[in-house]
Amino acid sequence: GAVVSQHPSWVICKSGTSVKIECRSLDFQATTMFWYRQFPKQSLMLMATSNEGSKATYEQGVEKDKFLINHASLTLSTLTVTSAHPEDSSFYICSAPGVPGQGSLSYEQYFGPGTRLTVT
Amino acid sequence: AQKITQTQPGMFVQEKEAVTLDCTYDTSDPSYGLFWYKQPSSGEMIFLIYQGSYDQQNATEGRYSLNFQKARKSANLVISASQLGDSAMYFCAMREGWSQGNQFYFGTGTSLTVIP
Repeated sequence: GAVVSQHPSWVICKSGTSVKIECRSLDFQATTMFWYRQFPKQSLMLMATSNEGSKATYEQGVEKDKFLINHASLTLSTLTVTSAHPEDSSFYICSAPGVPGQGSLSYEQYFGPGTRLTVT
Repeated sequence: AQKITQTQPGMFVQEKEAVTLDCTYDTSDPSYGLFWYKQPSSGEMIFLIYQGSYDQQNATEGRYSLNFQKARKSANLVISASQLGDSAMYFCAMREGWSQGNQFYFGTGTSLTVIP
């Protein structure tokens, strides 16, 4: 089945530094990818929709200058947390919708395994 | 209004018993998809089952079945013969319309604990 990978799976960084998280669709092309944030014991909160070759669409309340999203190819989207602070510590998950005719269910979202970010 | 409502923050079930996790949804779009995902403590989201709004029959996938009541806008997940490995968070989700680029709306989740 379709696979989405994320790298790194966990990262610890110092306050004020930037962290880049990669999301790759391994065996299918993804013109759209979604980035979510999840706090402990809470639901997934959509941060932004990443579109290949164009600007990401951010949800209300998400700072686009802080959470930079780049979807440079049909298999790779990156989320960069700039000038990270302890309150940015969270679990970040990306997903990509399956595409008909590419060996995946046409109606499913495939999720990456997530990246746990801790800012000290 | 919430698109997806899960009213059970936590549920307990005895091993080998069946359990129903509730989910109601709100949409005016006649075309939508309903999904259930399992999230164990590792954090990965595992797809369980899907129901399309035009599907006449309730979806089933092994021990998972979806009790789809369209008029009541409910899409409850039924897990039969619970196993210890079923202990996890369960999220109900909806996508409106058929476009793959449409976002998913998630419920707040239900934490299921299977008791030996």
